[in-house]
Formats: sequence, structure tokens, C-alpha cells
Amino acid sequence: AQSVTQLDSHVSVSEGTPVLLRCNYSSSYSPSLFWYVQHPNKGLQLLLKYTSAATLVKGINGFEAEFKKSETSFHLTKPSAHMSDAAEYFCVVTGGKLIFGQGTELSVKP
Amino acid sequence: DGGITQSPKYLFRKEGQNVTLSCEQNLNHDAMYWYRQDPGQGLRLIYYSQIVNDFQKGDIAEGYSVSREKKESFPLTVTSAQKNPTAFYLCASSYTINTEAFFGQGTRLTVV
Repeated sequence: AQSVTQLDSHVSVSEGTPVLLRCNYSSSYSPSLFWYVQHPNKGLQLLLKYTSAATLVKGINGFEAEFKKSETSFHLTKPSAHMSDAAEYFCVVTGGKLIFGQGTELSVKP
Repeated sequence: DGGITQSPKYLFRKEGQNVTLSCEQNLNHDAMYWYRQDPGQGLRLIYYSQIVNDFQKGDIAEGYSVSREKKESFPLTVTSAQKNPTAFYLCASSYTINTEAFFGQGTRLTVV
């Protein structure tokens, strides 16, 4: 069975410092993986997706994620946080349907 | 503009009343989904549909019903049997069941 675990429920960074949001997955076959962002009271927006092509995936707003099969991880990173990055982030794996992690709330301090 | 439209954005209902949330997409997607979001609980799948005239229960289907008579539309009815209906409801669609989903802006339902 497929599953996804976001290792941090809340991450706080200062503006201009790197962002790391961690995601581990479990899948019995080669999965597709996604990261979504949700701003308060809004729908979810796709940040990036991995579908078995390049393992380093670049997304919108300067975010990227690296698929590491040996570690079953798909961590989301950004070199320099911006205040507008404050939001909730969801890691998603496919498995007959989309399976969401519990979310990581990112706070950005000025 | 292509996309997914949920209406209304805010909805208030009295306890014991059924209420239907609208979800329409013009992306020509086969699959559609309904999720419920509560604070601190992430997204929970209520129902999903892979194709017209077919749908499956998700993880929390009790107290909800859906229909998929048209490819573009996937309305969700919150019935009086749903014990705690106040929540943020999100509709999504995708080309197929295992591709990335596109989300509507959500409907916040408050039952008083």
C-alpha cells in the first residue's frame, strides 16, 4: 500500500534563509509524487511533480525537490525564503488515488 | 479560462438540512474528487469518480452523497446524517486517477 509521511508539522525560518520540508513515502511500485501549497482559505496549487523522469524536479516560485529512491524521500527545498512562502505544504503520492500527507505549516519570520 | 469552479464560497445552513455543494470543471478531466479539510487534519477524501456515472467512497463517505451524471460536474450533498458537517470542502479534478490534481478554491460550510 502507498503512504506518505511529512516529518514536520510546523517549520519556521527567517526570511532569506533556506527552506527544507521533509517527506518520506512508501510505495510498492515506482510512484508519482507531488508537492502542493495552500494559502489560508484557498485551494491547493501544484508546486512541482515527479513522474519518473529527472530525479531533481524544479517547480514554481524557486522551489525544487529531489526524488531519492534509496531513502524513499522527496524533500522540498528553496534556497532563500520569502515572506510570501508562508503557507501549508502537502506532499502527495499516487496509489490508485492521490494520498496526501498531513501537511507542514511553513512560517517565515522577517 | 480553464479551471475548476466551486460555489458558493461560503455557505450557512441550519442543522438537520441537506445542502449541496457545486463543483464544475472545464478541463476535460475524467477523474474528480471531494476532500474535507479540518484544522490540523490535512485533507480527507470523501468520494472520488474516475469516469462519468461511476464513483467510489473515500475514507470518510458517511453522511455524504455524490453524483456524476456529466463529465464536467461532481456535486456533493452533505446530508443531515453527517454528524459534524462544518468544514472546508475542496473539489479537485485530474486527467486520470494517478495524475496531478487541480483544485477549486473551496467552499466553507458552516452549520448552525
